[in-house]
Amino acid sequence: GEDVEQSLFLSVREGDSSVINCTYTDSSSTYLYWYKQEPGAGLQLLTYIFSNMDMKQDQRLTVLLNKKDKHLSLRIADTQTGDSAIYFCAETPGTYKYIFGTGTRLKVLA
Amino acid sequence: GAVVSQHPSRVICKSGTSVKIECRSLDFQATTMFWYRQFPKQSLMLMATSNEGSKATYEQGVEKDKFLINHASLTLSTLTVTSAHPEDSSFYICSARTSVGQGYQETQYFGPGTRLLVL
Repeated sequence: GEDVEQSLFLSVREGDSSVINCTYTDSSSTYLYWYKQEPGAGLQLLTYIFSNMDMKQDQRLTVLLNKKDKHLSLRIADTQTGDSAIYFCAETPGTYKYIFGTGTRLKVLA
Repeated sequence: GAVVSQHPSRVICKSGTSVKIECRSLDFQATTMFWYRQFPKQSLMLMATSNEGSKATYEQGVEKDKFLINHASLTLSTLTVTSAHPEDSSFYICSARTSVGQGYQETQYFGPGTRLLVL
């Protein structure tokens, strides 16, 4: 089947904004999620958006959803070195099943 | 709230032995837990869905006799890798589904993962 696609790498300077993109596959997904994974650790829920929303803001995080194009993005304002990690988007094609994206490795340069 | 633990965090075993990994929801009850496998620099692949009091549901291509799942209580699911081989070496992550902390929206909360190395 099709993969949930993300760009593999993103490098930004500390203090700049980061934008991580995700193209998902299932238009019936009710919720779409963003998770953060630090080296050797599990996944930390960052935020999620309901499918009838276009945008959700949560402190430094802004999620944009374009259902027509099945495109999801995560913007991190004022990116810090502690934001360096792998970011996964996830769609929910079933009642509870998550399909994760390929992951974007964010590197923040001091 | 919504903390999930895994034990052990790291295990090294000899080929042919069995390894049990525990996943616990510490401050909530979870009728459904999930087991994922993650290879280096890759995404998470769902292996199976663990339902309390019933048989696990395995994803296509996952051998149920190889990866035994038991969900004996509302706070504990175990994954046993039977007769482990080097190709089973991987990062195994569990998650538990709950609406705690998210209003009515059920969300998956993940454990810290278990790194398995089979020699």
